Amino acid sequence: GENVEQHPSTLSVQEGDSAVIKCTYSDSASNYFPWYKQELGKRPQLIIDIRSNVGEKKDQRIAVTLNKTAKHFSLHITETQPEDSAVYFCAARGGGADGLTFGKGTHLIIQP
Amino acid sequence: DTGVSQDPRHKITKRGQNVTFRCDPISEHNRLYWYRQTLGQGPEFLTYFQNEAQLEKSRLLSDRFSAERPKGSFSTLEIQRTEQGDSAMYLCASSLHTEPQHFGDGTRLSIL
Repeated sequence: GENVEQHPSTLSVQEGDSAVIKCTYSDSASNYFPWYKQELGKRPQLIIDIRSNVGEKKDQRIAVTLNKTAKHFSLHITETQPEDSAVYFCAARGGGADGLTFGKGTHLIIQP
Repeated sequence: DTGVSQDPRHKITKRGQNVTFRCDPISEHNRLYWYRQTLGQGPEFLTYFQNEAQLEKSRLLSDRFSAERPKGSFSTLEIQRTEQGDSAMYLCASSLHTEPQHFGDGTRLSIL
């Protein structure tokens, strides 16, 4: 089955700086890669996603890049703000499966 | 449309008891997913339905777990003979076909 590795587990950045979270996946047939943000005690919320036929997608301060050859994808947050503090999870959906496989999460801390 | 709804929010039970959780998906969504999340980890896929058909089950879903979606709308997840290791947040998500999955707030299960 699919295996997703996520790094780093904790990331602390100064407010206004950029943050990058990286994930690798194992199943070359995986075709869909969402990112979720989860605040303490709340539901995971989809913030951006990318499909395997696209290399990059951007939505305001958030962007995701996908390298299918290397089987890795990354989340980029620019001009970070205090409300960006949360746990971020990457996930992959393998070919032939509809359940998502999640990484272990990155705790993003925005320092004022 | 109020999103994915789960009930109860918190369930405390003694080891060995049976518990049942309910999930009401977003009304037009034909797919419904169950995940389990333990502290400090990403959600782990358990099972998924397309309409009333259960199409995929994770190896994590032991024979003590059963899920139903009898009319293709709400779903129930039952755990029989609960064990300490079943303590977790049980998350439900729904989607329209292969569109992004949207999560509910979850049911937190605590086994005494």
